[in-house]
Amino acid sequence: DAKTTQPPSMDCAEGRAANLPCNHSTISGNEYVYWYRQIHSQGPQYIIHGLKNNETNEMASLIITEDRKSSTLILPHATLRDTAVYYCIVRVEGGADGLTFGKGTHLIIQP
Amino acid sequence: GAVVSQHPSRVICKSGTSVKIECRSLDFQATTMFWYRQFPKQSLMLMATSNEGSKATYEQGVEKDKFLINHASLTLSTLTVTSAHPEDSSFYICSAEMTETQYFGPGTRLLVL
Repeated sequence: DAKTTQPPSMDCAEGRAANLPCNHSTISGNEYVYWYRQIHSQGPQYIIHGLKNNETNEMASLIITEDRKSSTLILPHATLRDTAVYYCIVRVEGGADGLTFGKGTHLIIQP
Repeated sequence: GAVVSQHPSRVICKSGTSVKIECRSLDFQATTMFWYRQFPKQSLMLMATSNEGSKATYEQGVEKDKFLINHASLTLSTLTVTSAHPEDSSFYICSAEMTETQYFGPGTRLLVL
């Protein structure tokens, strides 16, 4: 079973920041939070991952709460091309296991 | 960097035939690759873990004799669907591990008639 909980869908206006929440209340101390997205009929795309500190790259920012039980992925200026299903996954970094995908959040960017 | 390709992107075959799907890491070497399957309106499901030079590890419920995996080099893993049937029609996606992160291929859509 997936270890994360995400809202099934969200809308966001183009140009605004999209904030996608994820609950992972049973996360272990050595598990990282990974975010991927899947645009329709394509393979998932890696976005970002983190352990406990906030992370930022050219695609997004990841904010992890101090107790690590939840996190938020932030797309600072959403565009129509950001419409996709976003998956929040917890995993031991460097673990030999495959990823367990939940149902994710279907983010729809509105023009 | 971290580009993974798959070939073919889509394939149609007759029931009872075998289909081979290739997964390549183009700009890095991957000791471990993974194969996933995705049915319409569902999430990705892990099928098997492919380790270079050794036998693949299959998830519960995945028939190893039906889904043959070969990982002969650090940049290539293949999935062969043997004696394909219409219920094997799905979106097959591979991933390759680099610096503790999995990078995914674009997927192969299989339709078995």
